[in-house]
Amino acid sequence: GAGVSQSPSNKVTEKGKDVELRCDPISGHTALYWYRQSLGQGLEFLIYFQGNSAPDKSGLPSDRFSAERTGGSVSTLTIQRTQQEDSAVYLCASSLDLGTQYFGPGTRLTVL
Amino acid sequence: QQQVKQSPQSLIVQKGGISIINCAYENTAFDYFPWYQQFPGKGPALLIAIRPDVSEKKEGRFTISFNKSAKQFSLHIMDSQPGDSATYFCAATLVWGSARQLTFGSGTQLTVLP
Repeated sequence: GAGVSQSPSNKVTEKGKDVELRCDPISGHTALYWYRQSLGQGLEFLIYFQGNSAPDKSGLPSDRFSAERTGGSVSTLTIQRTQQEDSAVYLCASSLDLGTQYFGPGTRLTVL
Repeated sequence: QQQVKQSPQSLIVQKGGISIINCAYENTAFDYFPWYQQFPGKGPALLIAIRPDVSEKKEGRFTISFNKSAKQFSLHIMDSQPGDSATYFCAATLVWGSARQLTFGSGTQLTVLP
């Protein structure tokens, strides 16, 4: 079966622009997570969705970051007014309830 | 505040040698400790995991050793192979709401020389 997919694989944008990153989780997985991987650092949790519950946004670094999950499946992470420090690889993962998290290949975001 | 500290940052091992990566955690509420392997351009993939009621878990060439009193755990890769060259992340999780939040270490870049 298909794994977690993310698009685009690479995104270059100018400072101040908005960007949208997409995640397609594994079919049937109830939980969806977003992480950020910055150069030289580990993975930083951003937000997760579980079923139809309200997402936990406590990991989002600022109010420029938001995410939504439509129909309990596809998720979009939006970064408004991008800054250079937003440059990172954004990883999406999904899991069945409390099970193993399966990661997508990530979106490499470069803010010029 | 970093809750999982990982060392070393990079590691070079000869083929056939033992690779050892160490992690220490702070939050005693963590109840699950996975290790992830990441190849360039790919997302992390679960390699092996352990719960705190077990002191050691072995899967093939990969072994996790867990010391609950010291709040430390380590990954041992026996008979290391060039194909093991990747970045390894330790992590710790706890049930958070109805899902698990992964707290990662900073990663170790392993290079196995042929």
